[in-house]
Amino acid sequence: QVQLVESGGGLVKPGGSLRLSCAASTFTFSDYYMSWIRQAPGKGLEWVSYISRSGGAIYYADSVKGRFTVSRDNAKNSLYLLMNSLRAEDTAVYYCATDRADLGYYFDYWGQGTLVTVSS
Amino acid sequence: QSVLTQPPSVSGAPGQRVTISCTGSSSNIGAGYDVHWYQQLPGTAPKLLIYGNRNRPSGVPDRFSGSKSGTSASLAITGLQAEDEADYYCQSYDSRLSGSVFGGGTKLTVL
Repeated sequence: QVQLVESGGGLVKPGGSLRLSCAASTFTFSDYYMSWIRQAPGKGLEWVSYISRSGGAIYYADSVKGRFTVSRDNAKNSLYLLMNSLRAEDTAVYYCATDRADLGYYFDYWGQGTLVTVSS
Repeated sequence: QSVLTQPPSVSGAPGQRVTISCTGSSSNIGAGYDVHWYQQLPGTAPKLLIYGNRNRPSGVPDRFSGSKSGTSASLAITGLQAEDEADYYCQSYDSRLSGSVFGGGTKLTVL
C-alpha cells in the first residue's frame, strides 16, 4: 500500500516562506512522477506543481510560478515544496500525490494533506 | 473559475441513478486527453474513482462508471447509497496551461 505523508504546514505571515515535505514509503519512489495539489478552505482542487522522476522536468501552475519551487530527493524518498512570497490566497490544504503522467496524467495515490495558513 | 465545468450539486434517492457532467474545451478534453474522476468524502483526501475515462481502480464498485465524448465527460453512479454522499471532481490535462486541470467539484446529496 502506497503511503505518502505530508508535513511542514502551519501559520505564516504574508510575504513569508514555508517548506513542505512529503515522505513516501512502501513503493519505489524514484519510479514515480509526483505532483502537489492544493485545496483552499471550502473550495475545489487546484494542481500546483509537477516533477518528473529524475527532477529534470518541472512545471507549475501560473498562480505559483516564480514563487514556489518543487524538488525531490530520491535517496530520501522525499518530495518538497518551497513556498516563498506567500499570499493569503495560498491558504489551503496541500496534498502530494503520485502523478501518472505516463498513463494519462492522473493522480492515483494521495497523502492526507498539510494545512498552510497565510495570515497576519 | 475552473477550467473544467461541473454542476455544483446533484442529488438522488437511495437506489437511483445520477450523472455528473464535466465540460472542457479544445485544449484539454477536446484535445484527446483522458478524463479522471475523484471522490472526496468529508474531511478526507481525494480518492481516485475513475481513470482513463472509464477504468475503475481495484476496489471501486462497478456502480461507478465513466464516459467521454467530444469536449465532455460524465460520471454515472447507479444504485445510490448513503455512503456515496461526497464531493466529486473531474480532472484532465490542458496543453495550453501545460498542467493538470480540475473541475470545480460536484456535491452529491443522497436524499
